[in-house]
Amino acid sequence: RKEVEQDPGPFNVPEGATVAFNCTYSNSASQSFFWYRQDCRKEPKLLMSVYSSGNEDGRFTAQLNRASQYISLLIRDSKLSDSATYLCVVKRGKSTFGDGTTLTVKP
Amino acid sequence: EAGVTQFPSHSVIEKGQTVTLRCDPISGHDNLYWYRRVMGKEIKFLLHFVKESKQDESGMPNNRFLAERTGGTYSTLKVQPAELEDSGVYFCASSRVQGAGDTEAFFGQGTRLTVV
Repeated sequence: RKEVEQDPGPFNVPEGATVAFNCTYSNSASQSFFWYRQDCRKEPKLLMSVYSSGNEDGRFTAQLNRASQYISLLIRDSKLSDSATYLCVVKRGKSTFGDGTTLTVKP
Repeated sequence: EAGVTQFPSHSVIEKGQTVTLRCDPISGHDNLYWYRRVMGKEIKFLLHFVKESKQDESGMPNNRFLAERTGGTYSTLKVQPAELEDSGVYFCASSRVQGAGDTEAFFGQGTRLTVV
């Protein structure tokens, strides 16, 4: 079993849609949690950190459930520019990446 | 503030040759990580430096890979001799040590290595 597992995707949604990505992790000692975004042939870039209390940044909402070892990312009112691969990252010392979920937002 | 820079951006070498990748982290970042993404797979951890010390090298695939960070500044990752399966994108990331944890990691643009 992989340490970090994400929805396989791909997700193809129309503009304006709401889309949710899920991620589970196996190491209960994990300390920090992040969502990164990676555009085609580019490096991963931090989208947002994920906290147990849940956190929101504009159209993006991230949730962490430590008991279930589950992380989610919700994107509301999708834009064409949201098209990218979204990586769930779990950190304890080193960062461990999920496979990524590819989102394509279509007009 | 300059970001994480990697050199070269692309490298095409023949099987059996040697390649050295370089990473310059963000100034002041003691943590430096190397990751690799091979075709169709997830980004995988290779190793982690704290300053000049190897904190975790559990992801290094075999002894053909040698990473160094002399002086705790830039790092090099040497592959010798290169094999076909070493092809992929090699990312470097750095972060600042902060209290009991670290800040988020910032990534370089990666080195795309092709072994033919």
